[in-house]
Amino acid sequence: DTGVSQNPRHKITKRGQNVTFRCDPISEHNRLYWYRQTLGQGPEFLTYFQNEAQLEKSRLLSDRFSAERPKGSFSTLEIQRTEQGDSAMYLCASSLSSSNQPQHFGDGTRLSIL
Amino acid sequence: EDQVTQSPEALRLQEGESSSLNCSYTVSGLRGLFWYRQDPGKGPEFLFTLYSAGEEKEKERLKATLTKKESFLHITAPKPEDSATYLCAVLQDGSEKLVFGKGTKLTVNP
Repeated sequence: DTGVSQNPRHKITKRGQNVTFRCDPISEHNRLYWYRQTLGQGPEFLTYFQNEAQLEKSRLLSDRFSAERPKGSFSTLEIQRTEQGDSAMYLCASSLSSSNQPQHFGDGTRLSIL
Repeated sequence: EDQVTQSPEALRLQEGESSSLNCSYTVSGLRGLFWYRQDPGKGPEFLFTLYSAGEEKEKERLKATLTKKESFLHITAPKPEDSATYLCAVLQDGSEKLVFGKGTKLTVNP
């Protein structure tokens, strides 16, 4: 399978705990994006990387959120001190860096905060 | 302010009953408009990119068109397997983020 891979698919945790998600992009793609989607809404942009550089961040990305892509391949998204409002589907996408290339999405990690 | 508005929110069709979904946008410096399909519990699946007014793209029973203010996704003779949520997103100057609408949930009954 050469698509975008996300792990875990589901995560249930208690409020206040830290969680980390992983995304493996399509191998030849050097851009990687994180989005968040809640029920009945379209995905909302969080951040994106070109290779290992984080080039754009949304105001949605509070201090509790941090994303890394240390070697320009896979990426991790960590949420510290989770809150009820963090419950959502976290989607990762990747693309080539040529202008206006489509972003290809993984199947997401669904986070539920108890 | 809403930059991307999709209508209707939900649409029920009988198999074979053609229709259109609308995506209107209010962004300056449009670099591209993207259509995705999303099945329950899955990530969005890329369908089309449109870059300029007058452009059209087709894939099986789907055809996407673009004007300066909106895009249409035409579905011809739909089948039950076309049931999904269809998302529209725009890419604008100065950013690499996609801005999505809320989607149209399409149900095609046999």
